[in-house]
Amino acid sequence: KAGVTQTPRYLIKTRGQQVTLSCSPISGHRSVSWYQQTPGQGLQFLFEYFSETQRNKGNFPGRFSGRQFSNSRSEMNVSTLELGDSALYLCATTRDLQHNEQFFGPGTRLTVL
Amino acid sequence: QKEVEQNSGPLSVPEGAIASLNCTYSDRVSQSFFWYRQYSGKSPELIMSIYSNGDKEDGRFTAQLNKASQYVSLLIRDSQPSDSATYLCAVNNDMRFGAGTRLTVKP
Repeated sequence: KAGVTQTPRYLIKTRGQQVTLSCSPISGHRSVSWYQQTPGQGLQFLFEYFSETQRNKGNFPGRFSGRQFSNSRSEMNVSTLELGDSALYLCATTRDLQHNEQFFGPGTRLTVL
Repeated sequence: QKEVEQNSGPLSVPEGAIASLNCTYSDRVSQSFFWYRQYSGKSPELIMSIYSNGDKEDGRFTAQLNKASQYVSLLIRDSQPSDSATYLCAVNNDMRFGAGTRLTVKP
């Protein structure tokens, strides 16, 4: 069974630009969560989607948004990029709401210059 | 504010020893607890999940949960150099993670 895939793996942007990251879950997994990981702040929860609906949201500004498609694939978007948005963005998927062991993708390394 | 706290480390143990990693959480109604291992430059991988008070064993790993004390721990027996990584404790579906404890197992 293929694992969680994320694209792109690496991205370099400049301040003010926007970026879209993609996550394809393990086949059969319907819940997708997004995290930001930085050396200073650790792993921080962004949001969780299930059945195309956002179920939970972390404490991030509105520049961070996401969505989930009917095939469970998810995208997150960051608008008006800031230097502090440089981080590893990880998505993690679970089978459903009763089985909440999460499986992480390899991440997208975003660098904002 | 719901918090998950881990002993900051770094923790260093000799090969073959028991490594003990600890985690406390503030939300008393938490139901699900997880330990992840993250190697440098890699994404976290699930080691153990635990939902009930007591011990849960999987190979060299034992997770211990005490909901009354709001405490969850991970013991690694017969530690190997390949266990050297950062260990993350996570709580519940919104997956609040601790800052992680970096473990080094010295040959």
